[in-house]
Amino acid sequence: GQQLNQSPQSMFIQEGEDVSMNCTSSSIFNTWLWYKQDPGEGPVLLIALYKAGELTSNGRLTAQFGITRKDSFLNISASIPSDVGIYFCAGSYSGNTPLVFGKGTRLSVIA
Amino acid sequence: DTGVSQDPRHKITKRGQNVTFRCDPISEHNRLYWYRQTLGQGPEFLTYFQNEAQLEKSRLLSDRFSAERPKGSFSTLEIQRTEQGDSAMYLCASSRTPRRDRGNEQFFGPGTRLTVL
Repeated sequence: GQQLNQSPQSMFIQEGEDVSMNCTSSSIFNTWLWYKQDPGEGPVLLIALYKAGELTSNGRLTAQFGITRKDSFLNISASIPSDVGIYFCAGSYSGNTPLVFGKGTRLSVIA
Repeated sequence: DTGVSQDPRHKITKRGQNVTFRCDPISEHNRLYWYRQTLGQGPEFLTYFQNEAQLEKSRLLSDRFSAERPKGSFSTLEIQRTEQGDSAMYLCASSRTPRRDRGNEQFFGPGTRLTVL
């Protein structure tokens, strides 16, 4: 099925560094969601975005809904070891269309 | 804990057997979704319910798969005559009915990992 292009696929960073990842789609979306998944668990919702250009924060996490409505970005500031995991973007055109997920960005934090 | 729950967490079965998974959504959520996730991939949509009505099914949902939500609360996903290719994590999510022209925040359960030998 359709998937979003998410990059980078993986990142190794030092504790305390900032992290950026992004997601692009060939289709316009009206909703972008960012999730984090730990091994053997389900994805946990981090941030939801509903308007083009919207910038939303959740603690050290900040996400933006791209102006073209075809991309979104997630930034993590001052990374800590518990930020380790796989981050997924997901988008949908409307509430009645399924969520489409990226393949994830695997984040490793070196203490 | 009032989150989404799934049972069992793990299932190992032999090829050709039938398996059934259960999902209990967040109590005030009337939408329930099933996804499949394989290694290195994001979740892929299978089907969803609005209350007891199954509103959409993905092409991934072959005729060996059937999902029900008989009373609009918990849901079951059954796979008949399992194949090795069915091995995956099966995730359930729930949400409120989304507002018009806006997506919905979906909350996931811990998943059921299926291994078909």
